Amino acid sequence: AQKITQTQPGMFVQEKEAVTLDCTYDTSDPSYGLFWYKQPSSGEMIFLIYQGSYDQQNATEGRYSLNFQKARKSANLVISASQLGDSAMYFCAMREVVRTGANSKLTFGKGITLSVRP
Amino acid sequence: GAGVSQSPSNKVTEKGKDVELRCDPISGHTALYWYRQSLGQGLEFLIYFQGNSAPDKSGLPSDRFSAERTGGSVSTLTIQRTQQEDSAVYLCASSFGTGGRSPGNTIYFGEGSWLTVV
Repeated sequence: AQKITQTQPGMFVQEKEAVTLDCTYDTSDPSYGLFWYKQPSSGEMIFLIYQGSYDQQNATEGRYSLNFQKARKSANLVISASQLGDSAMYFCAMREVVRTGANSKLTFGKGITLSVRP
Repeated sequence: GAGVSQSPSNKVTEKGKDVELRCDPISGHTALYWYRQSLGQGLEFLIYFQGNSAPDKSGLPSDRFSAERTGGSVSTLTIQRTQQEDSAVYLCASSFGTGGRSPGNTIYFGEGSWLTVV
């Protein structure tokens, strides 16, 4: 079973509008972390935002916010006031916290392509 | 520098040759990860090091792939007898610790080593 699911096809948004990128996850571990990364055409992976499973509030970082719905196991990224520079691939990822301290690799979804139109 | 450093940034090699890819993590980060990304695809986990613990090698695709981490810092990923399907970007990442809720455990990526096997 997939751990991280990103099923949206390529997304388009008008500059200055908000956009939501979907992510659902699957885990039986009560303690985990959820991450979003941006990968522009240059190829580097840029960390955007982090949400811990025990965090009481949704994470926010500037124009990025994470709509965390634990019961639904979803962690959607909301980008407000889109900019042309936001055009990129966006990856959702999860790290499960294993108490023994081992095996906490980051598992990625397949990514979503976002294109911002002027 | 302050970020994860990878070398070489680009490598073209002939099929059947061995290659070594180097990763220098962020100073103080005890966790180090290697991922592979084929063109237009998501990230595939390869191997994970955490401190002095035995590495998680569950993602290595074949015995031609190996990695080591010397002195808890620099890591080398070695691919023996390269094949054309090994062509990909090899991404290294590092973080503090193994998990937890702190944003300090965010995983930061290098810019990758682009490997082309001809």
